[in-house]
Amino acid sequence: GEDVEQSLFLSVREGDSSVINCTYTDSSSTYLYWYKQEPGAGLQLLTYIFSNMDMKQDQRLTVLLNKKDKHLSLRIADTQTGDSAIYFCAEKENDYKLSFGAGTTVTVRA
Amino acid sequence: EPEVTQTPSHQVTQMGQEVILRCVPISNHLYFYWYRQILGQKVEFLVSFYNNEISEKSEIFDDQFSVERPDGSNFTLKIRSTKLEDSAMYFCASRRGGAANEQFFGPGTRLTVL
Repeated sequence: GEDVEQSLFLSVREGDSSVINCTYTDSSSTYLYWYKQEPGAGLQLLTYIFSNMDMKQDQRLTVLLNKKDKHLSLRIADTQTGDSAIYFCAEKENDYKLSFGAGTTVTVRA
Repeated sequence: EPEVTQTPSHQVTQMGQEVILRCVPISNHLYFYWYRQILGQKVEFLVSFYNNEISEKSEIFDDQFSVERPDGSNFTLKIRSTKLEDSAMYFCASRRGGAANEQFFGPGTRLTVL
């Protein structure tokens, strides 16, 4: 299968920006996704970006896509304690399945 | 807002027993999926289902696993004879289809095999 890689941990101070990075291998991926998983909970779709876009902004979230380097990032502005969670990057392999990274655990400290 | 639901939230079973995990996808969705996440590991694709048949399955989805859409609302995952290594969180997901690319996940069922 395709490989999606993420850094495992990120610690950020409340009010600062968080940047979570992801690399993927399938250059034919058409959509890339960010999901959030809070402790004991399911996967919440945060945002996604189509591969012909470089950037997508949605309130405090900014997704940047560098298709040449197969690099995706999620920036969270003004990080809050409620943003503490595991963030998963995923690529759409075909119509039928998503391939996930291992997840980045974001810890927001006061 | 419509959401994917799953029952039970936690299932404990003995090795060798059969389990059925249940999901109710979002009502106008056409594509259904099962994923699993072993504790501390990646979310892994198991199977996708469309038009009453399996579209794709991973190598994890061997003949101990089966899926069914027994009526217009439920989507089930059956594990025929559970093994210790089947212990994981199992997520159901659904997608509307067509131009809609969002895949919505349920809250998961934690399966513990003793």
